[in-house]
Amino acid sequence: EAQLEESGGGLVKPGGSLRLSCTGSGFTFSDAWMSWVRLVPGKGLEWVGRIKTKSEGGTADYAAPVKGRFTILRDDSKDTVSLQMHSLKSEDTAVYYCTATGLEAPFDPWGRGTQVTVSS
Amino acid sequence: DIQMTQSPSSLSASLGDRVIVTCRASQSIINYVNWYQQKPGKAPKLLIYGSANLQSGVPSRFSGSGSGTDFTLIISGLQPEDFATYYCQQSYSTPRTFGQGTTVEIK
Repeated sequence: EAQLEESGGGLVKPGGSLRLSCTGSGFTFSDAWMSWVRLVPGKGLEWVGRIKTKSEGGTADYAAPVKGRFTILRDDSKDTVSLQMHSLKSEDTAVYYCTATGLEAPFDPWGRGTQVTVSS
Repeated sequence: DIQMTQSPSSLSASLGDRVIVTCRASQSIINYVNWYQQKPGKAPKLLIYGSANLQSGVPSRFSGSGSGTDFTLIISGLQPEDFATYYCQQSYSTPRTFGQGTTVEIK
């Protein structure tokens, strides 16, 4: 069974940084585009960004609200993907999910999520 | 960016009811729409992909249809475990975008 598990969430002050990690198992991690999606309180699901496979260039794309502040990296030797977040704002407060996808593909599976709270 | 507009934002229904949720894309996305169910404190769960394809393990009372800009999720015979929030999402282009969600509540 394909599974994902996130770690690294927590409470951080505005302007601070945080790094989330996600480890996959039960599927060929290196063949999957990996995405981060967040559940924003009162707003719903919001796509954060994704990284393609190394064979497809390993490039990452980001949603406009996080571009320039967030970075997605992958380490296929460890079946992990990370989300480095800088210059955090209160509006980044959300549950962050790691999920697998592909070209024109849905998001599946999903991790259980990790809470990030940005507050002074 | 492609906007996904879901309706209604919430609805109240009884056990056994037929529930219809609609999603409209701001431009044609062919059939690249997916539907997810999310319960409080849980991760989203993929129900339907490619507009009409039922994900493995999902009950057959869930169905999807549509193409171009207009899509529909139907729950035929609402069960207690179906009370949740449902989201459509387009996988046609980047950035990927979601509808704002439809919360199905008990009447």
